[in-house]
Amino acid sequence: QQKVQQSPESLTVSEGAMASLNCTFSDGTSDNFRWYRQHSGKGLEVLVSIFSDGEKEEGRFTAHLNRASLHVSLHIREPQPSDSAVYLCAMSITSNTDKVVFGTGTRLQVSP
Amino acid sequence: NAGVIQTPRHKVTGKGQEATLWCEPISGHSAVFWYRQTIVQGLEFLTYFRNQAPIDDSGMPKERFSAQMPNQSHSTLKIQSTQPQDSAVYLCASSLDPGGDYTFGSGTRLLVI
Repeated sequence: QQKVQQSPESLTVSEGAMASLNCTFSDGTSDNFRWYRQHSGKGLEVLVSIFSDGEKEEGRFTAHLNRASLHVSLHIREPQPSDSAVYLCAMSITSNTDKVVFGTGTRLQVSP
Repeated sequence: NAGVIQTPRHKVTGKGQEATLWCEPISGHSAVFWYRQTIVQGLEFLTYFRNQAPIDDSGMPKERFSAQMPNQSHSTLKIQSTQPQDSAVYLCASSLDPGGDYTFGSGTRLLVI
C-alpha cells in the first residue's frame, strides 16, 4: 500500500518568509495529489490539488509534483500567523478509487 | 451550504459502552468517508460509501466497528464495547466526484474512560 512521509515534522518561520514542506511517497502509481491544512480543533481544508508533474499555484500556496522522484512539495509565500496549522499531503492510492492516504503532517508555526 | 456536519462534537463513554457518531454530508456529494485521527497514527482511513453503497471498509476494526449510510443525507459510525484505544477524533468527509476534493467535517472527539 502507498506510504507517505512528510518532512519536517515541525517548522517555525517568521511572518513573510517562505515556508516549504515536503512529502515523499512510496511508488508512482498515484495520479491525484492534494495538500490540506488543519487548524487546531478543526476539520481539514484543501489548499491545492495537483494531478500532473510541474507546478500548481492557488493564491499564496504552490505545489510542485515530481513523480519520477516520488516527491510533492508545498510552498507558502508570505506566511501569516493565521497560517499556523498542521499541513497534510494526501494522495489517491490508485487512479480508480476515491480513497486517499494521508501523510503524518507538518506542524507549521508562523511567528509575527 | 453548512458543509459536512458531524455530531456530537465531543463524546465521553465508559469502557464497554456503545458510541454512535453521526455525519451529514454536503447535499449532492456522492461519496462519504470516515477517518480516525490520533497523535500517534495520524489520519487512518476507516471506510467509505459511494451513492450509499459501501465500497471499501478495509480500515475498519472488524469486530466492534460498523458503518452505515441508510440514506444520502447521513451516515453513522458505531463502535460497540468501546475501549480506551478507540479514543480519537473521528472525521467524516464527503466528495462530489470520483477522485474529487474532500470536504471534511470538524470531527467528533471520542474519549473512552
